[in-house]
Amino acid sequence: AQTVTQSQPEMSVQEAETVTLSCTYDTSESDYYLFWYKQPPSRQMILVIRQEAYKQQNATENRFSVNFQKAAKSFSLKISDSQLGDAAMYFCAITGANSKLTFGKGITLSVRP
Amino acid sequence: EPEVTQTPSHQVTQMGQEVILRCVPISNHLYFYWYRQILGQKVEFLVSFYNNEISEKSEIFDDQFSVERPDGSNFTLKIRSTKLEDSAMYFCASSTRDRGGGEKLFFGSGTQLSVL
Repeated sequence: AQTVTQSQPEMSVQEAETVTLSCTYDTSESDYYLFWYKQPPSRQMILVIRQEAYKQQNATENRFSVNFQKAAKSFSLKISDSQLGDAAMYFCAITGANSKLTFGKGITLSVRP
Repeated sequence: EPEVTQTPSHQVTQMGQEVILRCVPISNHLYFYWYRQILGQKVEFLVSFYNNEISEKSEIFDDQFSVERPDGSNFTLKIRSTKLEDSAMYFCASSTRDRGGGEKLFFGSGTQLSVL
């Protein structure tokens, strides 16, 4: 079984600043993948970033990067130079040998102009 | 960029009625999924489908639910006798492969089902 915990329900960041969203997980699988999805008010699920657990290097996608701490089972998302369009719900998720995703409860990010 | 298409975007139905939610996955994808999200809660896996059969389903996916790929393009979720607690956003997703790849899932924009 896999679990994902996002303990912060809400966060706020000033436009152009940096914010880090926390996520911890648990899994019995040795090979797994971690994701962050963004859900804007339209409620569409948009993939932000993906990390293979076997890779030590942290994934990066433009202003988005992760801090993957495998031993601590931690997978945080850092958003640099925050923009108003980054305001959304963010979900951390994990998958193992198949592509069935287990999601966390999500965190609501607001961006202050 | 190719995308997963879901119709309708909103569906209102009376309790006890049957509904069919429709999805057109990305054309070269082979694995299909349904997820649901009750308002304010996390997204939950319902079912995965490959090669014209269910490959995995959750405990939520009971006998009132069924999935079908009636032709080469559509993927449907049927709820036979809707209950109030079935009210949720239903997401269809597809990917190119399932096993071992942690492949990216592409989600549709969802169908909001409201059961009255």
